[in-house]
Amino acid sequence: QVQLQQSGPGLVKPSETLSLTCTVSGGSLSKNYWSWIRQPAGKGLEWIGRIFSSGSTNYNPSLKSRLTLSIDTSMSQFSLRLSSVTAADTAVYYCARSEGDEWGQGTLVTVSS
Amino acid sequence: QSALTQPASVSGSPGQSITISCTGTSSDVGGYNYVSWYQQHPGKAPKLLIYNVNKWPSGVSNRFSGSKSGNTASLTISGLQAEDEADYYCSAYTGSSTKLFGGGTKLTVL
Repeated sequence: QVQLQQSGPGLVKPSETLSLTCTVSGGSLSKNYWSWIRQPAGKGLEWIGRIFSSGSTNYNPSLKSRLTLSIDTSMSQFSLRLSSVTAADTAVYYCARSEGDEWGQGTLVTVSS
Repeated sequence: QSALTQPASVSGSPGQSITISCTGTSSDVGGYNYVSWYQQHPGKAPKLLIYNVNKWPSGVSNRFSGSKSGNTASLTISGLQAEDEADYYCSAYTGSSTKLFGGGTKLTVL
């Protein structure tokens, strides 16, 4: 049974960098791609991007200039870094396997000074 | 990139069938068979119901079914149950390998 465990701070200051990590247990990062999705309070889902086990990435064009996704197969982890955050980046952030057959627990990230 | 278009709300009575539409363009929904559907209960992570237009992930009830015609995809829920009351989202990949979500549809079971 694959499980995804998210970690990272729940509070980030404006203009700083949001960093989250998703640790995968019970399975390999290989032969899959790994996604990040976010959801502002009371609003819909927004796709952030995905990373393949090879390290290849696809990013949401609206976030691309600030976004970096990375993967460390030896640690069974993949990570998100979003720079220069503003209040508009406040949301619950989810990691997921491929199309979403497995999800992390979600992390509420608030951007505030 | 614009979000896919879903009705804001739909409703139905227990035992009935309902259909939620998801309209995009020929560059996303209509161009590729990479449409997925998700169910989300309040405070919970989304759950994948359908992928690749009409495929079921392991463990998902076949009361949920997906289809596509042109630039519009549809999710049909048959034999509506109280626990189906939730928000539903469609998604589709574009030609540039980016993913769009619909705005979400709130399903009320009367």
